Amino acid sequence: SAVISQKPSRDICQRGTSLTIQCQVDSQVTMMFWYRQQPGQSLTLIATANQGSEATYESGFVIDKFPISRPNLTFSTLTVSNMSPEDSSIYLCSVAGSGRGGEQYFGPGTRLTVT
Amino acid sequence: GENVEQHPSTLSVQEGDSAVIKCTYSDSASNYFPWYKQELGKRPQLIIDIRSNVGEKKDQRIAVTLNKTAKHFSLHITETQPEDSAVYFCAASTHTGNQFYFGTGTSLTVIP
Repeated sequence: SAVISQKPSRDICQRGTSLTIQCQVDSQVTMMFWYRQQPGQSLTLIATANQGSEATYESGFVIDKFPISRPNLTFSTLTVSNMSPEDSSIYLCSVAGSGRGGEQYFGPGTRLTVT
Repeated sequence: GENVEQHPSTLSVQEGDSAVIKCTYSDSASNYFPWYKQELGKRPQLIIDIRSNVGEKKDQRIAVTLNKTAKHFSLHITETQPEDSAVYFCAASTHTGNQFYFGTGTSLTVIP
């Protein structure tokens, strides 16, 4: 499976600021995704990062709050804008596997705390 | 959209016993069902998956079963070991490689 890295691994941010999280994959992948995992909770899909076009957002998530870039097939960024304490979560990127198809592999996550 | 329910939320078993985690899904178009294991502070790891054209799949001590008619699938872990202790998530996907919908998770504790 692909090697996936994320930066930063964790951050503490002040209310009202923005943070951009990077996701880097060691091989080209067609599908990249961004998830949020609130403390002790399950994973919720934020959006699908599409290369060369706008991201596709899930219900409850909007581009103004979570702008996403996907400049090429190995890299994506997620920005958490105008943060509030409710945005404190782990943010994970994932990629679709290059094998049979269907499986997704996750990055190590970015632990965000908003004060 | 798809709704995935998972039970139980917590499960404790004695080492060597079996553990079973069950999930149901709502969208009959779902055709891919992975299971992830997440240890504390780590990323979710894919441990086994099943596709809608298969009823059962095994990988050593882990097995997954799927009942398409009833829209439920289960994870079975036999001969549990302390290192199996983790949170397990099921998921369903309506399109291969897209849009995973996760269950709420099961915290499994294997008691030595």
